[in-house]
Amino acid sequence: GAGVSQTPSNKVTEKGKYVELRCDPISGHTALYWYRQSLGQGPEFLIYFQGTGAADDSGLPNDRFFAVRPEGSVSTLKIQRTERGDSAVYLCASSIGQGGGQFFGPGTRLTVL
Amino acid sequence: SQKIEQNSEALNIQEGKTATLTCNYTNYSPAYLQWYRQDPGRGPVFLLLIRENEKEKRKERLKVTFDTTLKQSLFHITASQPADSATYLCAPVGAGSYQLTFGKGTKLSVIP
Repeated sequence: GAGVSQTPSNKVTEKGKYVELRCDPISGHTALYWYRQSLGQGPEFLIYFQGTGAADDSGLPNDRFFAVRPEGSVSTLKIQRTERGDSAVYLCASSIGQGGGQFFGPGTRLTVL
Repeated sequence: SQKIEQNSEALNIQEGKTATLTCNYTNYSPAYLQWYRQDPGRGPVFLLLIRENEKEKRKERLKVTFDTTLKQSLFHITASQPADSATYLCAPVGAGSYQLTFGKGTKLSVIP
């Protein structure tokens, strides 16, 4: 595709449920990033992949959050036992390498009731 | 701790004027700084990157300056248009780093 795509665009779930958010990066981009954005704030870094491996997961808030990128392309962010505080827009970005501009997807708006 | 401040949450400007947005950072020594534009309901869009050894960078009507002594970057939009209305985010990046740490952003409104 022409840009980064994310599915679903919106996800409403109940407290305690498990959710998966998907990101399709730009073809050929080896670096992939997940961010979380709350209303009125800038995006907050969660995790960075270089290829298939998570090079830096220091931004994940706790062990309920996990992300994978098994084939070095599509990535899935997984959240277990969701809490109301997890409600936010989850953004995915990709880049050719590190150190340059990042290309963001439209985000997935997660609402935990 | 590292801190990024963008001059104001909202800036209103008349069409045709130059908009100037400020990004100040503390407890940082960024190797470069990026600016992004974000429209409501969309992800940020990369605009410009300026390195620590560059004083100024231009792209069409956009100009960015980077003063490592003042720990400040200025973002200018000349001949502003209503279509420039958006939130603008700055992100200083440390050497060897890849994660972006954003300020809260400045919401620019260009009034016709």
